[in-house]
Amino acid sequence: QVQLQESGPGLVKPSGTLSLTCAVSGGSIINDNWWNWVRQPPGKGLEWVGEIYHSGSTNYNPSLKSRVTISVDKSKNNFSLKLRSVTAADTAVYYCMRGVGGSDWYAFGYWGQGALVTVSS
Amino acid sequence: DIQMTQSPSSLSASVGDRVTITCRASQSISSYLNWYQQKPGKPPKLLIYAASSLQSGVPSRFSGGGSGTDFTLTISSLQPEDVATYHCQQSYGTPYTFGQGTKLEI
Repeated sequence: QVQLQESGPGLVKPSGTLSLTCAVSGGSIINDNWWNWVRQPPGKGLEWVGEIYHSGSTNYNPSLKSRVTISVDKSKNNFSLKLRSVTAADTAVYYCMRGVGGSDWYAFGYWGQGALVTVSS
Repeated sequence: DIQMTQSPSSLSASVGDRVTITCRASQSISSYLNWYQQKPGKPPKLLIYAASSLQSGVPSRFSGGGSGTDFTLTISSLQPEDVATYHCQQSYGTPYTFGQGTKLEI
């Protein structure tokens, strides 16, 4: 059973860089899956941030694309999120997850527990 | 981006009730529609994928339907443990987008 765990600073200063890592256990990150980040501001809905394949191919939400980088570390079996130039609007619980799917469907099947990141001075 | 609109935003029902939540896409997404259940302080949990396929381990009182732009999530007999927020999500194309959520209370 795949398990994911987010880690990183819980407090980031405005204009700084948010950095989170998702450790993957119970499976290899080089399996045929996409690895995703989704965020949820307090009391609000879910927003997809982006995804990465183990080859390094990425897709980002256009609303964040200029500030986001997602990378993968196959040797450590984890993947990471960096969000630059953060503001209070980036305060959210950040979830990492693994996509699951078949020939004609795709969903977010495995989720980490989430990491609350607050942007504040 | 494909916009996903859920209704209602909140819903109060009684144990044993049949409950239906709807989700509308701003363009056709075929059957690339998933439903998630989220309890307070927890990550979302996949309930239904491909519009109508029940994820393993999910009780059979949950069902999904629809295709194209209009979709439904139905709970046939509401149980106390179903109190949660329900989210629809399209996986037709990136950026993947979610509905605003429906908060279900008893």
